[in-house]
Amino acid sequence: AQKITQTQPGMFVQEKEAVTLDCTYDTSDPSYGLFWYKQPSSGEMIFLIYQGSYDQQNATEGRYSLNFQKARKSANLVISASQLGDSAMYFCAMREGGDMRFGAGTRLTVKP
Amino acid sequence: SAVISQKPSRDICQRGTSLTIQCQVDSQVTMMFWYRQQPGQSLTLIATANQGSEATYESGFVIDKFPISRPNLTFSTLTVSNMSPEDSSIYLCSTRTGIDYGYTFGSGTRLTVV
Repeated sequence: AQKITQTQPGMFVQEKEAVTLDCTYDTSDPSYGLFWYKQPSSGEMIFLIYQGSYDQQNATEGRYSLNFQKARKSANLVISASQLGDSAMYFCAMREGGDMRFGAGTRLTVKP
Repeated sequence: SAVISQKPSRDICQRGTSLTIQCQVDSQVTMMFWYRQQPGQSLTLIATANQGSEATYESGFVIDKFPISRPNLTFSTLTVSNMSPEDSSIYLCSTRTGIDYGYTFGSGTRLTVV
């Protein structure tokens, strides 16, 4: 069964605007971690932000914030003030036990 | 957090040949992971490599096709054997890092089989 679901294959956003990338997950383990990675066309995986299942506050890292709704099992990524360099694939991932599993990804395109 | 140097960054190979991908970590790590990312797809775990023991392969991946070495705590290789065009993918190595047990990735190897 799919554990990480990203329902948006592609998203467009105007430069300087905010965008939300959706991620839902499925687990029965009370302890897990949620991650977002950015993959530019070069192929490298760049860590953006982390949210632990016991964290009370939503994680923030600069222009990135994670909207964590535990009861809904969602962990949406919000990018504020989009820049052209934000155009990339974005992957949501969940660490459950020892394994890291990835969603299908969302391709974000920032328009000038 | 750990830094991983991965090489080659890209290669174009003839079908039927093999390619070995190397990952060097700047610190000792217990586990290393190898992922495949087929074109337009997400990352799929190939295997987990512990130093001093055989790698553990995920369903659909076999040692004969993807032999892995882990000679010490800072180094690992993945070989893609008897390649076919279907093996054209990005291959990434990674390791756990930090208190949150997130993963750090190598820069990836973009493989094209012709």
